[in-house]
Amino acid sequence: GENVEQHPSTLSVQEGDSAVIKCTYSDSASNYFPWYKQELGKGPQLIIDIRSNVGEKKDQRIAVTLNKTAKHFSLHITETQPEDSAVYFCAASTPNQAGTALIFGKGTTLSVSS
Amino acid sequence: NAGVTQTPKFQVLKTGQSMTLQCAQDMNHNSMYWYRQDPGMGLRLIYYSASEGTTDKGEVPNGYNVSRLNKREFSLRLESAAPSQTSVYFCASSATGRTEAFFGQGTRLTVV
Repeated sequence: GENVEQHPSTLSVQEGDSAVIKCTYSDSASNYFPWYKQELGKGPQLIIDIRSNVGEKKDQRIAVTLNKTAKHFSLHITETQPEDSAVYFCAASTPNQAGTALIFGKGTTLSVSS
Repeated sequence: NAGVTQTPKFQVLKTGQSMTLQCAQDMNHNSMYWYRQDPGMGLRLIYYSASEGTTDKGEVPNGYNVSRLNKREFSLRLESAAPSQTSVYFCASSATGRTEAFFGQGTRLTVV
């Protein structure tokens, strides 16, 4: 089955710096790659996603890039702010006979200090 | 604007007891999922249901059963709880497997 590896597990940056989180996936059939942000005590929420027919997508300070050949995708946050501090998860959606399952990486705890 | 509702929010069980975690969504989504979240392990898929009437195992199905009662509801049952099942459980739903998944607030389960 699909395996999603995420690095780093923790990331500390100064306010205004950029943050980059990287993920790799194993199943070449995976075709949808969302990123989720989880704040303390809450369920994860989607912040951006990308499909396999697109190489890059941006939404204000957040961007995601996808390299299908290398089977990796990355989250880029520019001009970080203290409210960006949270746990971030990447995921890959892989189709199989029973349907499509969303498999997550282990998460990155981002700390932005002011 | 309920979204995905999980009950209960907190539960303490004794080893060997059984319980059912309830999940309901009001977004007319086809797909529903159960995940468990443990420190350093991320979100691991227990079971999912791609559509009403179908269920399939995820990464960590042992010790759990599920029922897709109808399009709105997807329950997770622990028949004989073990301390290893102490975790935070999240239910999620999405229109399809390739669209945004919406998560509930989680159930914090402790098995003693």
